Amino acid sequence: QSALTQPASVSGSPGQSITISCTGTSSDIGGYNYVSWYRQHPGKAPKLMIYAVTNRPSGLSNRFSGSKSGNTASLTISGLQAEDEADYYCSSYTSSRTWVFGGGTKLTVL
Amino acid sequence: QITLKESGPTLVKPTQTLTLTCTFSGFSLTTSGVGVGWIRQPPGKPLEWLALIYWNADNRYSPSLKSRLTITKDSSKHQVVLTMTNMDPVDTATYYCAHSPYDILNGYYFDYWGQGTLVTVSS
Repeated sequence: QSALTQPASVSGSPGQSITISCTGTSSDIGGYNYVSWYRQHPGKAPKLMIYAVTNRPSGLSNRFSGSKSGNTASLTISGLQAEDEADYYCSSYTSSRTWVFGGGTKLTVL
Repeated sequence: QITLKESGPTLVKPTQTLTLTCTFSGFSLTTSGVGVGWIRQPPGKPLEWLALIYWNADNRYSPSLKSRLTITKDSSKHQVVLTMTNMDPVDTATYYCAHSPYDILNGYYFDYWGQGTLVTVSS
């Protein structure tokens, strides 16, 4: 199974909105509504941000939202804050009954 | 409160077998729909899913590593063990274990992660 495709980097200014894409195939993203997103600060463990394409864990800011169209999922962060600067990873369940992660996107807050 | 913590050697030699233990609290691996997975991250590289075991002992492996991996659980000890054979320097990475709930509506994801343990493969 190949890793999901994410842009290597995105950037935005405080207060702006950014979107990170995650492209897979009909065997993963396109076949299931089981896409999740994780944020990882340097030296820290990943943190769940979105699950089942659009759901936020309890207590997470509504500045984070997820969507999916065909084989591509997206994470949108609105009202960018300095603390949002981190690496973001998407993940999907697959038809092989396994999981696959994306290559990661480094978000820079200018 | 769900917590997980990885433990094991920090240094292994090439060709050796790595054994990592995930000790968890705040949930039971006898509860329907509960799983524990392993994910690794080489320095400066992305996350890579390795294996997962469910409450019913159903286990899944990364196709590219399947021949080298074994995942087991000891529910009474609240532990999940991952073994990886024939270690190579390219296996140098931080290894994470994570709690993975499942239900038909929300599917599969990893909601609680351990702090990770760095394993270096070198002679």
